Amino acid sequence: NAGVTQTPKFRVLKTGQSMTLLCAQDMNHEYMYWYRQDPGMGLRLIHYSVGEGTTAKGEVPDGYNVSRLKKQNFLLGLESAAPSQTSVYFCASSYWDWSSRTEKLFFGSGTQLSVL
Amino acid sequence: GIQVEQSPPDLILQEGANSTLRCNFSDSVNNLQWFHQNPWGQLINLFYIPSGTKQNGRLSATTVATERYSLLYISSSQTTDSGVYFCAVEGGSSNTGKLIFGQGTTLQVKP
Repeated sequence: NAGVTQTPKFRVLKTGQSMTLLCAQDMNHEYMYWYRQDPGMGLRLIHYSVGEGTTAKGEVPDGYNVSRLKKQNFLLGLESAAPSQTSVYFCASSYWDWSSRTEKLFFGSGTQLSVL
Repeated sequence: GIQVEQSPPDLILQEGANSTLRCNFSDSVNNLQWFHQNPWGQLINLFYIPSGTKQNGRLSATTVATERYSLLYISSSQTTDSGVYFCAVEGGSSNTGKLIFGQGTTLQVKP
């Protein structure tokens, strides 16, 4: 049971290049999320998904696209990278635990992206 | 949208001391969680606490939803408690895990 796995862990892009970040979870969770974290700030939600085939915008969706073709995978794409997208990106998945009546959120280890 | 403010922004403690971190939010919430981000960047969920009080070892949390604040208590702090503590909320009637994070409290525990 690997939990939430993000690839790659580090990436350097030039302005205008494109790339895809992959998030995979093996816990059969319905909900998945992409956040970005900038220095001295909390996490900001980019996009999220409440199930396979569904996606929705978060707080800061501009410049990003996502897809959830399979339940276990949530992809984050940058079509034309900009220096303002330099950040640490976190993927997460969650489920509702009926026995404890709590939501349990699990994060990946993050991807450090630099756009030059 | 809902605003989340955490205080203090920074905190330095000696090992063994107690501390209280505060989270204020601007609207009613149906989801409030506390997270710890360790110095290596890993985020761990500490509490799901939209109301009431919970305890887990040396940590406890209280949310007073009617007054729109939550408190995280750390007792007998250890160096391993160092890192950033985030409060995150979801407002309204939905519960999709669409969390809004505060800017965090950076805690340093000195030996």
